[in-house]
Amino acid sequence: KNQVEQSPQSLIILEGKNCTLQCNYTVSPFSNLRWYKQDTGRGPVSLTIMTFSENTKSNGRYTATLDADTKQSSLHITASQLSDSASYICVVRLSMEYGNKLVFGAGTILRVKS
Amino acid sequence: DAGVIQSPRHEVTEMGQEVTLRCKPISGHNSLFWYRQTMMRGLELLIYFNNNVPIDDSGMPEDRFSAKMPNASFSTLKIQPSEPRDSAVYFCATTPGASIPPTCGEQYFGPGTRLTVT
Repeated sequence: KNQVEQSPQSLIILEGKNCTLQCNYTVSPFSNLRWYKQDTGRGPVSLTIMTFSENTKSNGRYTATLDADTKQSSLHITASQLSDSASYICVVRLSMEYGNKLVFGAGTILRVKS
Repeated sequence: DAGVIQSPRHEVTEMGQEVTLRCKPISGHNSLFWYRQTMMRGLELLIYFNNNVPIDDSGMPEDRFSAKMPNASFSTLKIQPSEPRDSAVYFCATTPGASIPPTCGEQYFGPGTRLTVT
């Protein structure tokens, strides 16, 4: 069964600290993996998109990694800011021959405290 | 560009009533997606269009749900009759490019419509 599991469910960290969010997937065959940030009351905004051949991709203080062998991805946030408080959603896309379907994780809720 | 525009932002209605959600995609974007988000189930893809044509509606929960895209600048998601379990935030997202099916295109989400059915 194609699934995307994220951990932890929620996380509270102090401003300035680093954190890492995890995403494990069983989706196969895999096309690409995306991380989205969703602020409260807003739509998701894409942070990174990685294909199976990419191991890491950065977007400012956000760095995503991908291990296609172990089917794991992580999102590392460096020097967290209050504005990083949001839900982070991992989304895996099936390959074209399987209709490019998207499989969504439940998200990790991050709260950054001052 | 104002981004993806959705209306209304909030909708409260009674069970059994018809609800119509609206979406205006970013100009030039050829693919449009309707999603539903709840605490229990997270984000779910309901249906997507490419060049105004419905490509995959396998996520539409039941016949009470229907979606149309009469032209490149407008789409609707209709629920008739609505039920309390339809309460959720409904997002519209669009992607540039006309590839069928959409591949790695960046998806731009609207602000969502929060629907409450009492």
